[in-house]
Amino acid sequence: SYELTQPPSVSVSPGQTARITCSGDALPKQYAYWYQQKPGQAPVLVIYKDSERPSGIPERFSGSSSGTTVTLTISGVQAEDEADYYCQSADSSGTSFGGGTKLTVL
Amino acid sequence: EVQLVESGGGLVQPGGSLKLSCAASGFTFSGSAMHWVRQASGKGLEWVGRIRSKANSYATAYAASVKGRFTISRDDSKNTAYLQMNSLKTEDTAVYYCTSRGNSEGFDYWGQGTLVTVSS
Repeated sequence: SYELTQPPSVSVSPGQTARITCSGDALPKQYAYWYQQKPGQAPVLVIYKDSERPSGIPERFSGSSSGTTVTLTISGVQAEDEADYYCQSADSSGTSFGGGTKLTVL
Repeated sequence: EVQLVESGGGLVQPGGSLKLSCAASGFTFSGSAMHWVRQASGKGLEWVGRIRSKANSYATAYAASVKGRFTISRDDSKNTAYLQMNSLKTEDTAVYYCTSRGNSEGFDYWGQGTLVTVSS
């Protein structure tokens, strides 16, 4: 497994766009996945394979990839989007999670 | 409906052992790799390890922090995965989740977690 780096916190006002980055040397070779976790709850997958959105996840959630950095974008942020967000990737030897980013909706 | 239900958590002394279970339903358990992920209070997610399916020789892999102390196994006849934890340390205190991949190849399915507290 390998290191994935996220900013500890991101703050935005309702209706604005939030961007959360995740950097790692292996990301050009491996897909990234994003999870949302609210207090006291298990994580929920919001983006898979860099940019795909699971059924049931609002369209305002999107993902992109460029080189060693992947980005989770939340357009038109709503109060309910306040949560911790984790990136994740894997190779044959194991799985890594980023340290997590706390999204605060001001 | 997919369900993963962890059990077996509790209070254990440093150096002790504990075995967690993860009962699965609603998907083809025998064909799925099962992973364990933990989260210390106020901290991030940490991958613990995984066991692959019979078709992949039940291959296991572990995080460096638990290798040699933790063992993952499975019983496909019971649709259950296990996490045997030995030589427990205070830093192993966390909520332990079992999780599995769905069609997305991400961790689509998660249990509710079980709390393990290592303390004297």
